[in-house]
Amino acid sequence: EVVLTQSPGTLSLSPGERATLSCNTSQSVSSSYLGWYLQRPGQAPRLLMFGASSRATGIPDRFSGSVSGRDFFLTISRLEPEDFAVYYCHQYSDSRSTFGQGTKVEIK
Amino acid sequence: QVQLQESGPGLVKPSQTLSLTCTVSGASISSGDYSWSWIRQPPGKGLEWIGDIYNSGSTYYNPPLKSRASISVDTSKNQFSLRLRSVTAADTAMYYCVRHLYYDSGGLYRGFDYWGQGTRVTVSS
Repeated sequence: EVVLTQSPGTLSLSPGERATLSCNTSQSVSSSYLGWYLQRPGQAPRLLMFGASSRATGIPDRFSGSVSGRDFFLTISRLEPEDFAVYYCHQYSDSRSTFGQGTKVEIK
Repeated sequence: QVQLQESGPGLVKPSQTLSLTCTVSGASISSGDYSWSWIRQPPGKGLEWIGDIYNSGSTYYNPPLKSRASISVDTSKNQFSLRLRSVTAADTAMYYCVRHLYYDSGGLYRGFDYWGQGTRVTVSS
């Protein structure tokens, strides 16, 4: 099973600041099958990024994704109030899915 | 617009079977471009994939749940269902039904692109 480890667990930032979230995979994962999800309180998760760096429909361009080896990154260039939420990375391989444990982005 | 709606009992007794149904509108459950998934989230915790069913009828499950979980499809009603046997308090969670798009119009894997609002299930006597 591919284990995804997200860091940090919590990120305390102010609106307008830059956020960088990390997702480390326990084994090699194709970038094509790595995505990010956003979950606001009381809501279902929402697809944010697919293919590691492609934004899903309706996602603003302040969100970007990148990869370096087995480390995947989600960057939010300037935090807006609605961006304070929990973010999960997800991978799909061998017809199975796993999620990271989540990173909470909270207002400092 | 694709919509998914979960339904089922909110309270299940320990050792019994949890049964949930997801009704899909705006997309055919028979399409070959996506599968249909169940994902759950215990209170205050992260997301846990339960399993997928493909239009071929093939199913895949999270290994820790494989012996207790069963996902099926009713194409006549455009619904899919989850059964989870021998539940315990650890199965208390929000359960989401989700569309899993693994082949979009550009041939790209998208992931879980449409989610139901979720249904809360509590396991308690």
